[in-house]
Amino acid sequence: QAGLTQPPSVSKGLRQTATLTCTGNNNNVGNEGAAWLQQHQGHPPKLLSYRNNNRPSGISERLSASRSGNTASLTITGLQPEDEADYYCSAWDSSLNAWVFGGGTKLTVL
Amino acid sequence: EVQLVESGGGLVQPGGSLRLSCATSGLSVSSNTMSWVRQAPGKGLEWVSVIYSGGTTFYADSVKGRFSISRDNSKNTLYLQMNSLRAEDTAVYYCARDPGAAPGDIWGQGTMVTVSS
Repeated sequence: QAGLTQPPSVSKGLRQTATLTCTGNNNNVGNEGAAWLQQHQGHPPKLLSYRNNNRPSGISERLSASRSGNTASLTITGLQPEDEADYYCSAWDSSLNAWVFGGGTKLTVL
Repeated sequence: EVQLVESGGGLVQPGGSLRLSCATSGLSVSSNTMSWVRQAPGKGLEWVSVIYSGGTTFYADSVKGRFSISRDNSKNTLYLQMNSLRAEDTAVYYCARDPGAAPGDIWGQGTMVTVSS
């Protein structure tokens, strides 16, 4: 099943802003938007946002998500050491009847 | 507090079978949509299967015809029956509650499945 496209890595400095991107098509990201998950090494994923910019309770306001056409974005402001993790986007694909994931972006905070 | 606890992973030979379990507390598997997601060593997340509260199921193409998702409402437990296992099925398998707008908002800690001779 075709996945979503994410850059493999992004590096930014402490307290800077990082924007992660995720590109799909009209059947997934362009249809109902994307969800974003964070995963630290050795831990299960954690949901950060869904349907583009809805955050579960407890998720920092430094995180915001958006979508333009078939591309979703996650912006993290004021980067902190604990933001260093792998970030995955995901979307329901209505033509496949499946959740599709991006390959993940490793965010490094310098 | 809602908890999902996977079990049943282990080492199995190619062509063998395993049944994974996901015991839940604090939520009802019968009234929630539940998913299985896996992660091969050093790789990204891969969705495996979903079961809706109404019983409808879907599978990733990579496991279709080999894996089967089910639940026992009386035990509040989700299952993944895995048959004809292949080396490429080696992964940590997570169960998750699927809120509909994301593949999972509540996740278990995962159980490791290794397919090797």
